[in-house]
Amino acid sequence: QKEVEQDPGPLSVPEGAIVSLNCTYSNSAFQYFMWYRQYSRKGPELLMYTYSSGNKEDGRFTAQVDKSSKYISLFIRDSQPSDSATYLCAMSAEGSSNTGKLIFGQGTTLQVKP
Amino acid sequence: EAGVAQSPRYKIIEKRQSVAFWCNPISGHATLYWYQQILGQGPKLLIQFQNNGVVDDSQLPKDRFSAERLKGVDSTLKIQPAKLEDSAVYLCASSLDLTRNEQFFGPGTRLTVL
Repeated sequence: QKEVEQDPGPLSVPEGAIVSLNCTYSNSAFQYFMWYRQYSRKGPELLMYTYSSGNKEDGRFTAQVDKSSKYISLFIRDSQPSDSATYLCAMSAEGSSNTGKLIFGQGTTLQVKP
Repeated sequence: EAGVAQSPRYKIIEKRQSVAFWCNPISGHATLYWYQQILGQGPKLLIQFQNNGVVDDSQLPKDRFSAERLKGVDSTLKIQPAKLEDSAVYLCASSLDLTRNEQFFGPGTRLTVL
């Protein structure tokens, strides 16, 4: 079993739809949770960064962490064709020896159709 | 602020040949990472530097891969000799220091081994 599981998709939605992207994980030590967006032939770009449980909102993006279920989500409201990309979740455990050691999901490919 | 720079962007070699990738991190970033991203997968950490010292190279295949960051700024990742399974995108990322999980990625070098 992988430490971080992510449905690879592809996920296809019409423009304006609400998109839900999810990851599950097995390591209860994970405390830092990130979402990266990766356009084709580009490097990952940090979208959202959260610590422990709870919600965080930034514009059209909302990140949720449910540590009791070992489940994280990224919601995209009013999705745009420019949101078409691969979305990667990443996680890290607490402690100085774990900082920066990100474990990534395999990514979900999203296509937003005009 | 200039981002993480990588070169070359693309490289095609035959198996058993050697190849080197270069990375210049964001100015002032003390921590540098090399990742391997195989098609359809998330990035996998290969090595982590803090200034010119190695913090973690536990997932670096040391029989064929080597990396250095001699002056604590630029870094080079080398593969010698390359195998077919080394075909991947090699991503460089940097962060301010070891207390930060937020990593900023370069565009990557796409390696094809024939």
